[in-house]
Order: sequence, then C-alpha cells, then structure tokens
Amino acid sequence: DVKVTQSSRYLVKRTGEKVFLECVQDMDHENMFWYRQDPGLGLRLIYFSYDVKMKEKGDIPEGYSVSREKKERFSLILESASTNQTSMYLCASSFLDRASSYEQYFGPGTRLTVT
Amino acid sequence: GQNIDQPTEMTATEGAIVQINCTYQTSGFNGLFWYQQHAGEAPTFLSYNVLDGLEEKGRFSSFLSRSKGYSYLLLKELQMKDSASYLCALMDSNYQLIWGAGTKLIIKP
Repeated sequence: DVKVTQSSRYLVKRTGEKVFLECVQDMDHENMFWYRQDPGLGLRLIYFSYDVKMKEKGDIPEGYSVSREKKERFSLILESASTNQTSMYLCASSFLDRASSYEQYFGPGTRLTVT
Repeated sequence: GQNIDQPTEMTATEGAIVQINCTYQTSGFNGLFWYQQHAGEAPTFLSYNVLDGLEEKGRFSSFLSRSKGYSYLLLKELQMKDSASYLCALMDSNYQLIWGAGTKLIIKP
C-alpha cells in the first residue's frame, strides 16, 4: 500500500515563527505536492516538485518555500508564520508519467494554527 | 480560465441512491477525478474518467460528458459510512489538478 506520512497531525505556532512541515512517501513517486485546504474552498496548490531539487510554484506560493533534497521527502517551510496561514496542510504524491495512474495519494494532513 | 462547480451539501437516506454533479469550464482537459474525504482525514481516490461515458466500480459509478463539461458521481445502496465530502478535480493541460470545493454528503437513517 502507498503510504504518505506527515510529521505532525496538529501544530500550534506563534506569529513570526519559522515552521517546517515534513512529508515522506514510500512509493518512489516522482511528483510531490503541498496543498492547503480551507472551509468552502477547494484544495489549493502551494508548490509541487517533479524531481529532486526541482520545485514549481502552484497557485498560492506567497509566504511559503519548499525543499526536496531526497526523492521521498518534500518539506514545506513557512519562513515567518502569520495568522492567515492557519489551515489544514495536505501533502500528496503521484507518478510522473503513467497514463492510467495520475492518481494522487494523500498524507493524513497537518492542522496548523498560528496564534 | 478554469472553473469547477459542485453543490455545497446534499442529504440522502440510507439505502437510497444519490447523484453528485460537477460542472467545469476549462481550456485544456486531461481527465476528471473524484475523491472521498471523511471529516478530519485525507482525500482518497474514487475514480478517474478521461473518456465520455460511465465507469462503474461497485456501489460507486462516475460519468463524464466532455462536450457538456459535466460529470457526476453516483452512489447506490447508501451506507452511513458514505457520509463524507466528495471532491471533484479536473486535470488540466499541464497535468495539474484543479479542485472543486467539495460536496458534503449527509446520510440519514
């Protein structure tokens, strides 16, 4: 079974703190994604990566950065957390180029609260 | 641009059938996904349609009409455990997913 794990289920941070969210997948997927999910809105893509050390901005990259030093690990960094970054953060992974399997597999999510 | 619409909330009765619609507008299309998400949990894959027609998978079926920009998810023999949000997602020309806001399905006994 594909497994995507995230470092924390719940996290509370103060405004201005640097926050690291870690994601690890065990299926040798090329693609990895970071989304945030807020009530009434669809999942919004923050960043994605299709290879080690590669990263692409999604729809809402402002205030975030990412790191992909190893194929299985994709980190999301909030350089200086703000209250409007309070949200559910979901990591996902998928194969790069399988015509029948663009399915994304999700981690359990990290509910981040910034006070 | 791209746009996806699905109802915010639906209510159905245990044992019945429910159809959740999704309409979309896009300039590039590489398929449409349905995911299920229970409260507080991660989305899980249900179906993928890239050609017109109905795909059946047990109690769940998904339909696509590309010319109409329309899809639906059909759930039969509803069970209480089907109470969840159902997310429609469009794969665009860059193979990125554009997500609808989700439909919260409430099942009543």
